[in-house]
Amino acid sequence: DAGVIQSPRHEVTEMGQEVTLRCKPISGHNSLFWYRQTMMRGLELLIYFNNNVPIDDSGMPEDRFSAKMPNASFSTLKIQPSEPRDSAVYFCASSLRLYGEAFFGQGTRLTVV
Amino acid sequence: DQQVKQNSPSLSVQEGRISILNCDYTNSMFDYFLWYKKYPAEGPTFLISISSIKDKNEDGRFTVFLNKSAKHLSLHIVPSQPGDSAVYFCAASPKAAGNKLTFGGGTRVLVKP
Repeated sequence: DAGVIQSPRHEVTEMGQEVTLRCKPISGHNSLFWYRQTMMRGLELLIYFNNNVPIDDSGMPEDRFSAKMPNASFSTLKIQPSEPRDSAVYFCASSLRLYGEAFFGQGTRLTVV
Repeated sequence: DQQVKQNSPSLSVQEGRISILNCDYTNSMFDYFLWYKKYPAEGPTFLISISSIKDKNEDGRFTVFLNKSAKHLSLHIVPSQPGDSAVYFCAASPKAAGNKLTFGGGTRVLVKP
């Protein structure tokens, strides 16, 4: 298996633009997580899904952030409109079940200028 | 409110010696703990975990110790190898929340040949 695949690896966008980050979890994994890593806050959980259903989105910083999981093999994290303070590395992770080892993708480095 | 803390931002150790990484937590609901290793430009990689019903878990060169009364865990790497040079994150979750992980700030380990 190729592991968790995220795209793009790098994204540079202008303030106010919409940004969409994509994630393909490991086949057969039932749980998917979006994390954000910043210097100030470290690694923080934004939202997670179980069987394609959002379970907890309490980590989503603002209404500008939204996440979807239309099927078991694809998820998106959208920021609209983007702001410079959204600049961070965004990681997607998946796990076989809700409780156990999570496998992370390589991340998307987002820069909002 | 940092619920998981790694108070040592960095650690330098000679090859072949023991590396000891420490982690403290405040949330008494946490009962599942993990260590992840992260290389630059990559996502975190799972290393080892421990459930609160145990006080020690060993996997090859890596051993995690849990002291619930002190709300403290540590990771021992013996012997340390240059390839172990990375950032190590401690993470914790309440069992009921599965993989809703709260991460520490990380400890950068440098193993000198």
